[in-house]
Amino acid sequence: SQQGEEDPQALSIQEGENATMNCSYKTSINNLQWYRQNSGRGLVHLILIRSNEREKHSGRLRVTLDTSKKSSSLLITASRAADTASYFCATGDANAGGTSYGKLTFGQGTILTVHP
Amino acid sequence: DSGVTQTPKHLITATGQRVTLRCSPRSGDLSVYWYQQSLDQGLQFLIQYYNGEERAKGNILERFSAQQFPDLHSELNLSSLELGDSALYFCASSVGGASSPLHFGNGTRLTVT
Repeated sequence: SQQGEEDPQALSIQEGENATMNCSYKTSINNLQWYRQNSGRGLVHLILIRSNEREKHSGRLRVTLDTSKKSSSLLITASRAADTASYFCATGDANAGGTSYGKLTFGQGTILTVHP
Repeated sequence: DSGVTQTPKHLITATGQRVTLRCSPRSGDLSVYWYQQSLDQGLQFLIQYYNGEERAKGNILERFSAQQFPDLHSELNLSSLELGDSALYFCASSVGGASSPLHFGNGTRLTVT
């Protein structure tokens, strides 16, 4: 079952613009992660935010987390054509025990297209 | 390069057949995860192993089985294949902690004809 739901499903912007993607989830989490997937390739980890954190930055990426609303957003600033990919949020279940920690539940993803 | 190796990259087989997908995790990672990605179901968690033992099970069919060997590589066995099993199968690895990023291989694209 899908835990996270991304919004929008698809986003088309021009180079230099900012891209914002949102993710909502249903259960209690211990962390939320964002991944990127280029067409037909493996997912690449972008950034992780723990449940006790509200905002995190990494380069041109900014992630926010609102546990009261069970939502997160990923902002990519000054987008480039090379940012074109699918972006997924993934959540770690706070109720997972022992070494089943680490299992992530992924959303359906947002397809980002950045036009040169 | 994530350090996770999956073989084969592509697999074409007929309905009713059995296939084995192989995964070598990133050096030092003890946890291995298998995910299935299809257009209609998205990324579905199948199963997780930690240091040779099964730790979590997701939407894995009874026709599917997996194991992790002492050298930590893992195999996913798919049997009595159906057309609907056609998908991308990803292996990922992590150190296994509660907040560990997953490192994904490039997947095995399975086509069942």
